[in-house]
Amino acid sequence: AQSVTQLDSHVSVSEGTPVLLRCNYSSSYSPSLFWYVQHPNKGLQLLLKYTSAATLVKGINGFEAEFKKSETSFHLTKPSAHMSDAAEYFCVVGRRALTFGSGTRLQVQP
Amino acid sequence: GAGVSQTPSNKVTEKGKYVELRCDPISGHTALYWYRQSLGQGPEFLIYFQGTGAADDSGLPNDRFFAVRPEGSVSTLKIQRTERGDSAVYLCASSLSEGDTQYFGPGTRLTVL
Repeated sequence: AQSVTQLDSHVSVSEGTPVLLRCNYSSSYSPSLFWYVQHPNKGLQLLLKYTSAATLVKGINGFEAEFKKSETSFHLTKPSAHMSDAAEYFCVVGRRALTFGSGTRLQVQP
Repeated sequence: GAGVSQTPSNKVTEKGKYVELRCDPISGHTALYWYRQSLGQGPEFLIYFQGTGAADDSGLPNDRFFAVRPEGSVSTLKIQRTERGDSAVYLCASSLSEGDTQYFGPGTRLTVL
């Protein structure tokens, strides 16, 4: 069995400030973890994925995530938010049948 | 190269009607997946194919839902006797092989009146 919990349904930051989107996972085996982003009226885009190589994973557009097994967490961070980062972000676990979190809507204020 | 494509982009139908949703995966991808995303929620897994066969259909909600992939490329999701609760965005994804990164199409927005 596998599940993810995104701890915040909505996060608002100012442009240029750090972003933190929190995710906790549950998996009965060594998980594959992902972050996907969904811009309005666009498809899901892969930001980054963890597959048990390095615990700190770097993705596109300056995003990164750290896998912490002891905390069963996979939080997404970015040092400096940009207006174009405003979107819905999904934490995802699985290898074939993916399980998505409920999403975090990131709002970036000018 | 071309990504995953889905047609139609929007489908409006009446309760009780039959609908078909089509997915064209990335060329060469052997695994294909269907998900459903209801308003305000994350996508939920429906079914996945490895080649022509349905390897896991555990997410299909009931027997009104059926999917095929006869030649191991294009897939069709079929919904019989549609209900208002079927209204959602239906997403298709493909991967090079099962367990590889999934790439998603833009989705088909189904509205059942």
